[in-house]
Amino acid sequence: KAGVTQTPRYLIKTRGQQVTLSCSPISGHRSVSWYQQTPGQGLQFLFEYFSETQRNKGNFPGRFSGRQFSNSRSEMNVSTLELGDSALYLCASSLGRGGAGNTIYFGEGSWLTVV
Amino acid sequence: AQKITQTQPGMFVQEKEAVTLDCTYDTSDQSYGLFWYKQPSSGEMIFLIYQGSYDEQNATEGRYSLNFQKARKSANLVISASQLGDSAMYFCAPGLTGSARQLTFGSGTQLTVLP
Repeated sequence: KAGVTQTPRYLIKTRGQQVTLSCSPISGHRSVSWYQQTPGQGLQFLFEYFSETQRNKGNFPGRFSGRQFSNSRSEMNVSTLELGDSALYLCASSLGRGGAGNTIYFGEGSWLTVV
Repeated sequence: AQKITQTQPGMFVQEKEAVTLDCTYDTSDQSYGLFWYKQPSSGEMIFLIYQGSYDEQNATEGRYSLNFQKARKSANLVISASQLGDSAMYFCAPGLTGSARQLTFGSGTQLTVLP
């Protein structure tokens, strides 16, 4: 079955602009989470959505937001881009329940460069 | 909060040999899961293996196995018969079983397999 799909894979934006990244989870998965990966900070959790509701949020400013649609697809938005937002943004999906059935699968990521 | 330590920033192994990647974690939770992921240079985070904190048997998935020592809070990944394609960054990531959709990642180990 299809894995987690993220679009776009690569993008370049200018400081001050905004960006929207999209994620389609594995079919049947209701939980979608987002992570930011940078060389300096490593992998950091942004937020997690389950059934269109944000359940967890990492320590990021309000410029970072997200949402989930009824078909479990998710988008994240970063407004007023800063150079430090340049990163690999990874989306992950899971069934959303505990135990081994909660294996979390990641997409290929979206490489964002802010210039 | 959870703290994850991967003490080997870089490791080299000869093709066809076994290698152990270390991971220790600090959590006060009794119920949690441990994930290992592989990240090649392309950026995709590939799920390798999962161990639940209450699982009595060490997890195995093909050439991957976990040496899980709960009392020591240690979950080392063993890769048997290394292949050139195993060259990648490897991350250990614990998550709470109840809400394991949020992972905390270690700093990773860069594994290089030599021909």
